[in-house]
Amino acid sequence: EIVLTQSPATLSVSPGDRATLSCRASQSVSSNLAWYQHKPGQAPRLLIYGASARATGIPARFSGSGSGTEFTLTISSLQSEDFAVYYCQQYNDWPPGMYPFGQGTKLEIK
Amino acid sequence: EVQLVESGGVLVQPGGSLRLSCAASGFSFDDYTMHWVRQPPGKGLEWVSLITWDGGSTYSADSVKGRFTISRDNSKNYLYLQMNSLRIEDTALYYCATERSKYFQHWGQGTLVTVSS
Repeated sequence: EIVLTQSPATLSVSPGDRATLSCRASQSVSSNLAWYQHKPGQAPRLLIYGASARATGIPARFSGSGSGTEFTLTISSLQSEDFAVYYCQQYNDWPPGMYPFGQGTKLEIK
Repeated sequence: EVQLVESGGVLVQPGGSLRLSCAASGFSFDDYTMHWVRQPPGKGLEWVSLITWDGGSTYSADSVKGRFTISRDNSKNYLYLQMNSLRIEDTALYYCATERSKYFQHWGQGTLVTVSS
C-alpha cells in the first residue's frame, strides 16, 4: 500500500507570503495526485488534480508540481481565506486502501 | 450547482446500526461513481467505500468490510451507507463525494456519527 507523507505538519505563514507544502509518496504514483483544502465545518474542496491541473474555479495563486514520489503545492500570495488544512491524495492505487490521503498540513496565520 | 447533503448521523451504542444518506442534486447522479470518506475527531481523512455508477461494483476499506454496505438509488439520487456492528473507532464525520477520474471532485459537508456507550 502506498503511503503519503506530508510536511510540515503545521506551517505558519504571514498573509501575502508564499507557502510551500510537500507530499512524498512511498513509491511512484506517476502524476496521479490531487490536493484538497479543508476548513472546519466545511466540505473539503478539490484544488489540484493530475499533480498540476487546477480544478474549476481555483485561483491561479494555487499551483501544483511534481511527479513520481515528490509533490509540492504552492500558494503564491496567501489570502486570509487560504488558512486551512491541506491534504494530498494519490489515486495510482485503485480501489483505494484506507489511507489514500496524506495526514494533512495545517496552514496557520503567523 | 452540485449539492451533496449527508444525513443520518447520530449517537449510537457500540454494536448498533445506522444508515447514512446522501442526497445529490445539480448533476447527473447516475453518471458518477460515489464514495464515502470519513474523518475521525482530530485526525485526517480516511476512505470508506465506493460504488460504481450503476451499483454493479462496490469496494470497501478492510476496516469496515463485512460491517458497512454502500448502496445507491439512482431513481431518487440518493447514496446510502448501512453501518452495522458499530465500533467506537467508527466515530467520525462521514462525507459523501463524487469521483472524477479517481479523485474526489465534489464533497458534502458531512454528518457526524458518534459511537459511545
